[in-house]
Amino acid sequence: DAGITQSPRHKVTETGTPVTLRCHQTENHRYMYWYRQDPGHGLRLIHYSYGVKDTDKGEVSDGYSVSRSKTEDFLLTLESATSSQTSVYFCAISESPTLSGIGGYEQYFGPGTRLTVT
Amino acid sequence: QKEVEQNSGPLSVPEGAIASLNCTYSDRGSQSFFWYRQYSGKSPELIMFIYSNGDKEDGRFTAQLNKASQYVSLLIRDSQPSDSATYLCAVRGFGNEKLTFGTGTRLTIIP
Repeated sequence: DAGITQSPRHKVTETGTPVTLRCHQTENHRYMYWYRQDPGHGLRLIHYSYGVKDTDKGEVSDGYSVSRSKTEDFLLTLESATSSQTSVYFCAISESPTLSGIGGYEQYFGPGTRLTVT
Repeated sequence: QKEVEQNSGPLSVPEGAIASLNCTYSDRGSQSFFWYRQYSGKSPELIMFIYSNGDKEDGRFTAQLNKASQYVSLLIRDSQPSDSATYLCAVRGFGNEKLTFGTGTRLTIIP
């Protein structure tokens, strides 16, 4: 793993409760992303960040909020968890291309959090 | 129409043969293309990326890109049972720091 940790790794919660997932990186990468992965849907982007306090929505952002107060931490909050948010959540990081223009934006993933909402 | 399409499989290949995985994309302005491998219960792992038309080789893996036809493929030579996994194709659009993922192809290597 490219210096990315997620916590908790597993969580079971009840409908209507708030939940916060944490992603922590030690790579000092600019971009951070939250995805959910569900059978038949693949990886879908929830929110992403392009710098401290700079975030934007992805394709499935309803019911989720994010915050990034430090380069290394990106938090995903489910304000009021629903059963439809039962999923595996992955955090990813990436960096801009080098000055030579080679590479860039390839994403590296954390180990994931399995969330079950009952 | 999905932006990035992959055959979901399963694709079964005998050990030692060449596995060929394909991906098509709809955005003609796409700039970067990535292949990830994901073992069951694990996170996606980057194995190849390609930006220019043609072939790019890395060990037993070869990525092929044809922008005119809007497809990218991954060849795995001398397939091993450890190559059994789901392979995800991802595409980055022009001026975009986000990736769009296909739903993945499940590959099984038969000993």
